[in-house]
Amino acid sequence: GAVVSQHPSRVICKSGTSVKIECRSLDFQATTMFWYRQFPKQSLMLMATSNEGSKATYEQGVEKDKFLINHASLTLSTLTVTSAHPEDSSFYICSARPANEKLFFGSGTQLSVL
Amino acid sequence: GQNIDQPTEMTATEGAIVQINCTYQTSGFNGLFWYQQHAGEAPTFLSYNVLDGLEEKGRFSSFLSRSKGYSYLLLKELQMKDSASYLCALDNYGQNFVFGPGTRLSVLP
Repeated sequence: GAVVSQHPSRVICKSGTSVKIECRSLDFQATTMFWYRQFPKQSLMLMATSNEGSKATYEQGVEKDKFLINHASLTLSTLTVTSAHPEDSSFYICSARPANEKLFFGSGTQLSVL
Repeated sequence: GQNIDQPTEMTATEGAIVQINCTYQTSGFNGLFWYQQHAGEAPTFLSYNVLDGLEEKGRFSSFLSRSKGYSYLLLKELQMKDSASYLCALDNYGQNFVFGPGTRLSVLP
């Protein structure tokens, strides 16, 4: 099946720093990738839809200047959490979908902001 | 918009059968997916329904009734490793997925 790779798996950083998370589709081209956030014991909440070669589409309530998304190629999308604060600590998961198939997820990134 | 509801927690015994329900309100969708998620890990695909009826895949089966806005995931011969969260999700016409709140299942010996 399709593979989505996500790095890093865990990040611990100081408040105020920026963190970049990479999401790659390894065996298919993804014109669209999805970024989700998950707080403990809660479900996946869609943050934004990353579109190759154009601007990302953000869900209501998600600050686009804080969560920068770049989808420069058909196999790579990045999410940068700028000036991270403790309230940004969460599990971030990317996903992509080959044509007419189910959603495949990256392994997730656990972000802890001190 | 779309609204999805699932029970928050369920408990069952090893070897038993458990049914996890998912109800939803939506103007339309392509299909309904079920994913399993262990703590700290990404979700993994379990089952998918497009048409009404039952889809069976080994120990896991999923049912969909579009007219009733209802789906369930049936897990048979429960094993300890089945302790996880189970998420139902609506396929929003091939675009994004909308996930339900998830049901945390605890399997007891």
